[in-house]
Amino acid sequence: DTAVSQTPKYLVTQMGNDKSIKCEQNLGHDTMYWYKQDSKKFLKIMFSYNNKELIINETVPNRFSPKSPDKAHLNLHINSLELGDSAVYFCASSQWDRESYTFGSGTRLTVV
Amino acid sequence: QKEVEQDPGPLSVPEGAIVSLNCTYSNSAFQYFMWYRQYSRKGPELLMYTYSSGNKEDGRFTAQVDKSSKYISLFIRDSQPSDSATYLCAMRAGTASKLTFGTGTRLQVTL
Repeated sequence: DTAVSQTPKYLVTQMGNDKSIKCEQNLGHDTMYWYKQDSKKFLKIMFSYNNKELIINETVPNRFSPKSPDKAHLNLHINSLELGDSAVYFCASSQWDRESYTFGSGTRLTVV
Repeated sequence: QKEVEQDPGPLSVPEGAIVSLNCTYSNSAFQYFMWYRQYSRKGPELLMYTYSSGNKEDGRFTAQVDKSSKYISLFIRDSQPSDSATYLCAMRAGTASKLTFGTGTRLQVTL
């Protein structure tokens, strides 16, 4: 299946822990993104990588660190998790000059 | 004030109705306009894409952009229960710029 796949789908963890979310796309796209969707369904961009280079870095706490080992992968590591980090995190990919983004199914993070 | 405003709904309509979903925006640099549909517990999927002003039709869906009023619309004709989802408008200034989303409108089409 051609897709954007994220793991894990669900993540429940305690405050203060460190966790990672992985994302892989097999669409041959050169740009990948992390979006955060809050409880009101608002989708806000966090990071964007083009050909493994960081091109968008919104005002996200530095506890969040993305890593792109290659064009097909973009991981998100979160240190010292806080209650306010609870949200659904979506990975997406696109071709740089195209309008269409393909989203993964999301990782539902709950910090307790 | 958010760059893109969208009524969160919920909007409930009977099957077969015409649905109108709208967004307003403040950034006059936006040129690319999209509508995404998001089913519960799924990622958004692209429905329609329009560049600059004008209309675009695809089956039961029509997207309209009025840049002079900074207003975009999505019309769904002959709505079906399977159209029940959250509809998110999205827009960006150029191919290198970030995609900014509205908050989404939840639509419920009832039998």
